[in-house]
Amino acid sequence: NAGVMQNPRHLVRRRGQEARLRCSPMKGHSHVYWYRQLPEEGLKFMVYLQKENIIDESGMPKERFSAEFPKEGPSILRIQQVVRGDSAAYFCASSLLGDQNTEAFFGQGTRLTVV
Amino acid sequence: GQQVMQIPQYQHVQEGEDFTTYCNSSTTLSNIQWYKQRPGGHPVFLIQLVKSGEVKKQKRLTFQFGEAKKNSSLHITATQTTDVGTYFCAGGASGSRLTFGEGTQLTVNP
Repeated sequence: NAGVMQNPRHLVRRRGQEARLRCSPMKGHSHVYWYRQLPEEGLKFMVYLQKENIIDESGMPKERFSAEFPKEGPSILRIQQVVRGDSAAYFCASSLLGDQNTEAFFGQGTRLTVV
Repeated sequence: GQQVMQIPQYQHVQEGEDFTTYCNSSTTLSNIQWYKQRPGGHPVFLIQLVKSGEVKKQKRLTFQFGEAKKNSSLHITATQTTDVGTYFCAGGASGSRLTFGEGTQLTVNP
């Protein structure tokens, strides 16, 4: 059973370009979370999705950021018109259940660098 | 909203010394989870505590959940260089998602 798969592992974008980060949850998991981590800092919650639904996007910046988790295929975190401040590690986690008592399994992350 | 605070932010120890990180929640939790992130790696689940006053051990690691279910601690006895990393607590509460603390970054000098 493959774990949470994120790609790409490393992504370099020029300012103003778009970044697309993909996350395939563990098999059987329908709950996906995205976190952002700046160097030497903690995990900042961004968004929680179930299949075809955004459940909690309270951590998402109001502009340029969007997320989806379609019925088929991976979850996508999309950052439009990237700026240098978007450079960070973006982690995706999945869980079997959506409640707060369920262990989260993390992917290896996508390291985004904006130049 | 629910807040989870973790202290200290950084801890430097000599190999063989003990280490403790503390986690405090602004609200009563239904469970507390602990994760470890190695440098350059991703968070990996260590353990979950559910019961008030619960204590669990994993080799040199001891995890405690407070009686009021609002705080927790992770204690490592006789640290080794393999313990290096950032330790995160994450609190779960009814009606809200899992909330992560800021983490404690542990360095171990050989």
